[in-house]
Amino acid sequence: ETGVTQSPTHLIKTRGQQVTLRCSSQSGHNTVSWYQQALGQGPQFIFQYYREEENGRGNFPPRFSGLQFPNYSSELNVNALELDDSALYLCASSLRLNTGELFFGEGSRLTVL
Amino acid sequence: DAKTTQPNSMESNEEEPVHLPCNHSTISGTDYIHWYRQLPSQGPEYVIHGLTSNVNNRMASLAIAEDRKSSTLILHRATLRDAAVYYCILRYSGANSKLTFGKGITLSVRP
Repeated sequence: ETGVTQSPTHLIKTRGQQVTLRCSSQSGHNTVSWYQQALGQGPQFIFQYYREEENGRGNFPPRFSGLQFPNYSSELNVNALELDDSALYLCASSLRLNTGELFFGEGSRLTVL
Repeated sequence: DAKTTQPNSMESNEEEPVHLPCNHSTISGTDYIHWYRQLPSQGPEYVIHGLTSNVNNRMASLAIAEDRKSSTLILHRATLRDAAVYYCILRYSGANSKLTFGKGITLSVRP
């Protein structure tokens, strides 16, 4: 077990709604990143946070936003949900920025109807 | 981002060695070679990484070609639990580093 926990594990939303996904990083890890994994595809980088500041962003629109808290836990918020947002959302934490291994949680499965 | 090329799938027999190839002909000098695997219904799991020299850890070995344009992940004795999707990833070692996953190679292990 990696120590990275995500909630909720599964959720269903309708188009246009908003969703918040949560991640608790492994103890001592100050860097968290979020990935989206569509069915049958590899994970795609959304963004990364280091010490509460966004530090790198992938090719995702602004309706994907995030937060990192002083205890290094994190949230991913998605506004105006679209059908294509249906995916597994993965959180990963690491001990250091830009180096070392990432520890992934088991993900939050979002279905948008 | 520099890209990697992997076969779509590979089969192996339990308790035999497995060699998973990866091509990365456009690798730059600041790219590390990372391998992650993803078991069914789980998040990716770190396996190993290296820069130039071959690397060993408790899970696997990583053999890196001298020109760094290819690498091979070696599982010394495959078990049923090793059945997973294995991703070969180049990770830039500088600012705003991230993992860029491809589709990976699906490893099946026969009992």
